[in-house]
Amino acid sequence: EVQLVESGGGLIQPGGSLRLSCAASGFTVSSNYMSWVRQAPGKGLEWVSLINSGGSIYYADSVKGRFTISRDNSKNTLYLQMNSLTAEDTAVYYCARSHSDSRGYYHFDYWGQGTLVTVSS
Amino acid sequence: DIQMTQSPSTLSASVGDRVTITCRASQGISSWLAWYQQKPGKVPKLLIYKASSLESGVPSRFSGSGSGTEFTLTISSLQPDDFATYYCQQYNTYYTFGQGTKLEIK
Repeated sequence: EVQLVESGGGLIQPGGSLRLSCAASGFTVSSNYMSWVRQAPGKGLEWVSLINSGGSIYYADSVKGRFTISRDNSKNTLYLQMNSLTAEDTAVYYCARSHSDSRGYYHFDYWGQGTLVTVSS
Repeated sequence: DIQMTQSPSTLSASVGDRVTITCRASQGISSWLAWYQQKPGKVPKLLIYKASSLESGVPSRFSGSGSGTEFTLTISSLQPDDFATYYCQQYNTYYTFGQGTKLEIK
């Protein structure tokens, strides 16, 4: 059974850093396209970052230069390092797996339950 | 970057109504579009992928159409469980979500 479990959220002061983790089971993270998606309180979904099976990485403009996506193949875990946090980064952060095949990536087929990040003094 | 614009932002309807939500892309995305349903405090649920393919287990009252830059999600006869927020998502170039359409009970 595919499962994604996020952790690492919490209250952090503006300007601070936080690392989110997404532990996967039932499939291999390194063989899949994995994303982080966030949702600010009462707002819509925003795609944040993608790492593909080849290791190529992409970011939304809103986080480029501040956030870093990575994975640990030995732990089958996806990470999101978030630096220089501001109040606008307050959101529930979800990890999600893309349905993919040899031709490319498609819609998200599995989501984690999310972890809340609150940036406030 | 590809922008996705949904309309309307809010839709009031009654059980049994037929409703349509529109999603427009700022550039052509072929059929690389998905629709998700999200209820408060819950994870988004996939309804439609590749613009018109119904996800397994999703009721047949949900349907999707379109290609290029204009897409629609139609619910043929609203059920009480359908009142939620709906998002379109393009996956032609990375990912972008529409801003969402909240479907409310009239």
